[in-house]
Amino acid sequence: DTGVSQDPRHKITKRGQNVTFRCDPISEHNRLYWYRQTLGQGPEFLTYFQNEAQLEKSRLLSDRFSAERPKGSFSTLEIQRTEQGDSAMYLCASSLAGALTDTQYFGPGTRLTVL
Amino acid sequence: GESVGLHLPTLSVQEGDNSIINCAYSNSASDYFIWYKQESGKGPQFIIDIRSNMDKRQGQRVTVLLNKTVKHLSLQIAATQPGDSAVYFCAEIPNTGNQFYFGTGTSLTVIP
Repeated sequence: DTGVSQDPRHKITKRGQNVTFRCDPISEHNRLYWYRQTLGQGPEFLTYFQNEAQLEKSRLLSDRFSAERPKGSFSTLEIQRTEQGDSAMYLCASSLAGALTDTQYFGPGTRLTVL
Repeated sequence: GESVGLHLPTLSVQEGDNSIINCAYSNSASDYFIWYKQESGKGPQFIIDIRSNMDKRQGQRVTVLLNKTVKHLSLQIAATQPGDSAVYFCAEIPNTGNQFYFGTGTSLTVIP
C-alpha cells in the first residue's frame, strides 16, 4: 500500500498523559499536513510541513501540541498533558508541491480517546 | 478562518437516483476546491477537484459545478449506489496559502 499511513489507529489514554502519533506520507510527497476532526465536523487544519520545514503552526490548538518532521519524511504529532477535550480523530495528509494540483491525500487517522 | 458551509446536513436518496450535494463558500479569492468522501472510521478520500477558472468538471459518475457569482459549489453523483453512502465534504483553498478549509459535511444515505 503506497498511501498515507498513520500509527496507531486508536489510542486510549488517561488525562494528563503524553501521546505521540506517527504519519508516513506518500513517498514522493514533500508536503505533510496534520488535521483534527471531531464528530460531525470537517477536518480542522493544525499545521503543515514542506520537507522538514514547518511552514505553518499558528493553528496548533495550544502549546501542548507540537509536530516534527526531522528528515522530511515521516512526521510525529505530540500532545502533552492530554485533556478530555483532545479526544478526536487526528488526520494526516500529504501532497506534492509544484504538481498541477496540490491535492491532499489523507491517511486513515488516529482516533484518540482521553479518559 | 474561512467559512465553508453545507446547505443540508443529511441527504437520503434511492439507489439509482442522482444525488446533489451543495456547498457555500465565503472567500471569493479561493481558487481551488475539492470534494472529499469520508466513510465511517476512515480518512477523507479525494473525489474530484475544480479550479476557479472552470465552471464544471466531470469525473466518473461525478460532476462538480462551480458558481463563483454566488460562491456555490455542488457535487452531482449519477446513479447513486449503496457504496456512495458516506459523509461528503467540500474543501476550499484560498490563493493566499495551502490551508484547506472544510465545511461540516453532508451525510448521504442511499436507500436500496
